Amino acid sequence: SAVISQKPSRDICQRGTSLTIQCQVDSQVTMMFWYRQQPGQSLTLIATANQGSEATYESGFVIDKFPISRPNLTFSTLTVSNMSPEDSSIYLCSGRDREMNGYTFGSGTRLTVV
Amino acid sequence: AQKVTQAQTEISVVEKEDVTLDCVYETRDTTYYLFWYKQPPSGELVFLIRRNSFDEQNEISGRYSWNFQKSTSSFNFTITASQVVDSAVYFCALDSGYSTLTFGKGTMLLVSP
Repeated sequence: SAVISQKPSRDICQRGTSLTIQCQVDSQVTMMFWYRQQPGQSLTLIATANQGSEATYESGFVIDKFPISRPNLTFSTLTVSNMSPEDSSIYLCSGRDREMNGYTFGSGTRLTVV
Repeated sequence: AQKVTQAQTEISVVEKEDVTLDCVYETRDTTYYLFWYKQPPSGELVFLIRRNSFDEQNEISGRYSWNFQKSTSSFNFTITASQVVDSAVYFCALDSGYSTLTFGKGTMLLVSP
């Protein structure tokens, strides 16, 4: 099955700044996704990252706050912009794995905004 | 609409006890996939099992077993002879063919020595 490398694994950021999270897949995945997991909560889908075009955002998430890029089939980035303490969460990327016909996840980025 | 309910927020057991984590799902689709993931304190999501809607056979993998019952829309997960390393949050998830996962709220399992 695909392996997704995600970095950074954790960061502490000042409010008002931006952080870019990267995910690299070791093989092709058909689709890539970005999730947010607020403390003690379940995973919420932010957006589907589309190769070479704009991401598809879920209700409540906007491109200005969470710009996403996916320049090729194996790489994607999520930027958390103009951060506030409410953005403190774990952010996870995921890929739909053709081989296992399921979903593989990166190791997550634990973000704390102070 | 898709929905996954994990009614148990937190379960505490003593090592070597058996424990069952419940998962009930809702979907109008006839073809769908169910998943279980484990999230240890480190935060990564570890894939445990995938089951499609046409395969109701129960599955056993070591100390783990899964009971899929379409009649009750349930996909329960049992850990036999639990160990401290099993302590984690466990998520049940549903994919109804829309290529996105709907997650339950998760069940935190605490296994004490």
